[in-house]
Amino acid sequence: AQSVTQLGSHVSVSEGALVLLRCNYSSSVPPYLFWYVQYPNQGLQLLLKYTSAATLVKGINGFEAEFKKSETSFHLTKPSAHMSDAAEYFCAVTGGSQGNLIFGKGTKLSVKP
Amino acid sequence: ETGVTQSPTHLIKTRGQQVTLRCSSQSGHNTVSWYQQALGQGPQFIFQYYREEENGRGNFPPRFSGLQFPNYSSELNVNALELDDSALYLCASSLDAGTTYEQYFGPGTRLTVT
Repeated sequence: AQSVTQLGSHVSVSEGALVLLRCNYSSSVPPYLFWYVQYPNQGLQLLLKYTSAATLVKGINGFEAEFKKSETSFHLTKPSAHMSDAAEYFCAVTGGSQGNLIFGKGTKLSVKP
Repeated sequence: ETGVTQSPTHLIKTRGQQVTLRCSSQSGHNTVSWYQQALGQGPQFIFQYYREEENGRGNFPPRFSGLQFPNYSSELNVNALELDDSALYLCASSLDAGTTYEQYFGPGTRLTVT
């Protein structure tokens, strides 16, 4: 069965610092992997997705993620944090053939001035 | 192009009551998926509707049911509400069913059961 584990429920960085949010997956088939962002009282917005093409995926707002099969990881990075990046981030993997998503528990990112 | 919309925004119900949540899919999308997001958790898949038929279900009891209409809008019904049903309910629409189609999420309905 597919699953994702997000390491660290809360990450705090200073403005301008590197953002690294960790995600490890478990999948019995080649996975499709996603990162979503959720701002307070809002729905989910897709940041980026991996669909078995390039292993380094670039997304919106300067985020990128690298698919590493040997490590079963799909960590999210951004070189320089901005105050507006403060939000909750969810890693997800496709569950069944209908494309339903299986989400991790989320990582809340705080950005200090 | 109108995105995914959900109504109502917030809802307070009493244990044992029934509730209906609504979702309008993005224009041209024939697939709607529903998720439950409890406080401090990631969303969990409830079920998916594709062309008016249920097309997959997560680990939720039968008191969670749904409908999809010919215009592809959808309803989520929950009977015999329990306190643990308090959550943010998210609906997502996609162009078609399957792993290659991106899901677009609505803002959610916050349900509180007292």
